[in-house]
Amino acid sequence: DSGVTQTPKHLITATGQRVTLRCSPRSGDLSVYWYQQSLDQGLQFLIHYYNGEERAKGNILERFSAQQFPDLHSELNLSSLELGDSALYFCASSVDGTGETQYFGPGTRLLVL
Amino acid sequence: GESVGLHLPTLSVQEGDNSIINCAYSNSASDYFIWYKQESGKGPQFIIDIRSNMDKRQGQRVTVLLNKTVKHLSLQIAATQPGDSAVYFCAEIENYGQNFVFGPGTRLSVLP
Repeated sequence: DSGVTQTPKHLITATGQRVTLRCSPRSGDLSVYWYQQSLDQGLQFLIHYYNGEERAKGNILERFSAQQFPDLHSELNLSSLELGDSALYFCASSVDGTGETQYFGPGTRLLVL
Repeated sequence: GESVGLHLPTLSVQEGDNSIINCAYSNSASDYFIWYKQESGKGPQFIIDIRSNMDKRQGQRVTVLLNKTVKHLSLQIAATQPGDSAVYFCAEIENYGQNFVFGPGTRLSVLP
């Protein structure tokens, strides 16, 4: 158990819908990172927040957005969902903002029908 | 963006033997590299890391080697055990945390 929690574990929705994925970092960690893992693209970095502020952006679509709240939990919002958005979404946390030693959560499996 | 790749998508080794998993990276400016292990149904788990100013780092039963000349990273697992069966990813951090690039992964299968 990494100490990072993600909810929900599974999510099934329809195209065009919007969903919110939630992540709670390990106690004391200030950074949260979001990743998408799909069969054809592998693990892709989406976005990084440090202490409430966006630190770095990766391959995140404009339909996706994220935020980190004062209590340091983070949410990833996915809107206008398409079939190709079906994937595992992981968040990870780390103590500082360097990106080093990230601890991954168990992931949320999203299926868009 | 530039990518990190693995030479071998699958690797089968006998229990007790040593395993070597390789990775080629393309961004010579990357400053930090990590190996992750991902078991079925779980998130990636940090194994070992190495900074670009080092060429070798050892952990418990694992060693990471970095060859910057040929932009190659390897993970060595000593005395491979059934519990080591998983997919292993290399990852590079670019520009001091501005981007994280993962390789496609190598599946390690440990034979009894």
